[in-house]
Amino acid sequence: GAGVSQSPRYKVAKRGQDVALRCDPISGHVSLFWYQQALGQGPEFLTYFQNEAQLDKSGLPSDRFFAERPEGSVSTLKIQRTQQEDSAVYLCASNKQYNTEAFFGQGTRLTVV
Amino acid sequence: EDQVTQSPEALRLQEGESSSLNCSYTVSGLRGLFWYRQDPGKGPEFLFTLYSAGEEKEKERLKATLTKKESFLHITAPKPEDSATYLCASYGQNFVFGPGTRLSVLP
Repeated sequence: GAGVSQSPRYKVAKRGQDVALRCDPISGHVSLFWYQQALGQGPEFLTYFQNEAQLDKSGLPSDRFFAERPEGSVSTLKIQRTQQEDSAVYLCASNKQYNTEAFFGQGTRLTVV
Repeated sequence: EDQVTQSPEALRLQEGESSSLNCSYTVSGLRGLFWYRQDPGKGPEFLFTLYSAGEEKEKERLKATLTKKESFLHITAPKPEDSATYLCASYGQNFVFGPGTRLSVLP
């Protein structure tokens, strides 16, 4: 596609429910990033893939958060047993190579009630 | 640990009133400094990449500059449509974003 696509755009989850957020990066982009953005804050790094390899997951806040990119294209961020503090916008970005500009999707707004 | 700070937190300008936004960074092995614009409810939109001190990039009313410790985004004669949050990000090991500057340009 022309840009980074994320789905769903909005997700409301009951506390304790598992959720899966999808990211479809720009075709041919090697690197893929996940960020969490709280209201009024800058994006906070969660994890980074180069092709199918997860090279950095230092930003994942707990073991309830899990990300995968099994074939080196589409990625899924999974959050188990959601809690209210998980409510945020989750952004996905991709780039061609490590030090070039990253292009962002529109984000998924997760609200945990 | 890589860190990025931005100032001011918020800025209100009259249309045509030029100003600058600041981004200070502490990064070991900077491989790039990026500026993004973010509108409410949308993902960040790429503006500029700067790779070395002394480098400058321009686009319409915006100009980005880079020193060894800071980057500036200069806005010349802004218009109301320039109102947005401006984010800078350093790239060392990965992209680290600052908290952003919320710019409001009043007609």
